[in-house]
Amino acid sequence: EVQLVESGGGLVQPGGSLRLSCAASGFTFSNYWMHWVRQAPDKGLVWVSRIKSDGTIISYADSVKGRFTVSRDNAKNTVILQMNSLRAEDTAMYYCARESRSDSKNYFGGSAGYWGQGTLVTVSS
Amino acid sequence: EIVLTQSPATLSLSPGERATLSCRASQSIGSYLAWYQQKPGQAPRLLFYDASNRASDIPARFSGSGSGTDFTLTISSLEPEDFAFYYCQQRDKWPLTFGGGTRVEIK
Repeated sequence: EVQLVESGGGLVQPGGSLRLSCAASGFTFSNYWMHWVRQAPDKGLVWVSRIKSDGTIISYADSVKGRFTVSRDNAKNTVILQMNSLRAEDTAMYYCARESRSDSKNYFGGSAGYWGQGTLVTVSS
Repeated sequence: EIVLTQSPATLSLSPGERATLSCRASQSIGSYLAWYQQKPGQAPRLLFYDASNRASDIPARFSGSGSGTDFTLTISSLEPEDFAFYYCQQRDKWPLTFGGGTRVEIK
């Protein structure tokens, strides 16, 4: 069974940092793109970041570029989202998601087939 | 950035009725469109990827169609558990973007 468990959310002051972690199990982690998607309270979904199965391609939404860093450890089946210089507008539920199909040549992913339960990030003074 | 416009914003229907949800892209995205269902307090669930490919364990009453700029999600006969939010999402170009969502509510 595919499982994704996020952790690391919480309350942080503007300008602060948080490190979100997503522990994956139930599949061959190194074969899949992984994603972070966020949802502000009572708002829609926003794709934050993606990372290729081998970590060689990484993309960020403009709203977080230069402040957030995504990484993965295929030996530990974990993907990390390091969030710095946090702003009030970063307040959201952050979801880790796995690509719907395994990676292959010339595939750039983008369909989130499995999702974690989310971890809530609140940026407030 | 590719903008996805979903309509209607809210669909008020009764169980057993047919639901037709629309998603229009600001430019052609081929078939690179996904549909998700989200219930309050839950993570989204993938329904379809690449316009018409049904994800695992999605009932046959759901169908996805379309290509280019116009896409449709159809629920042939609404079950009580289908009342939820539905989002479309494109993967043709980064940044990946979602539509604003359609709420399917009980009439």
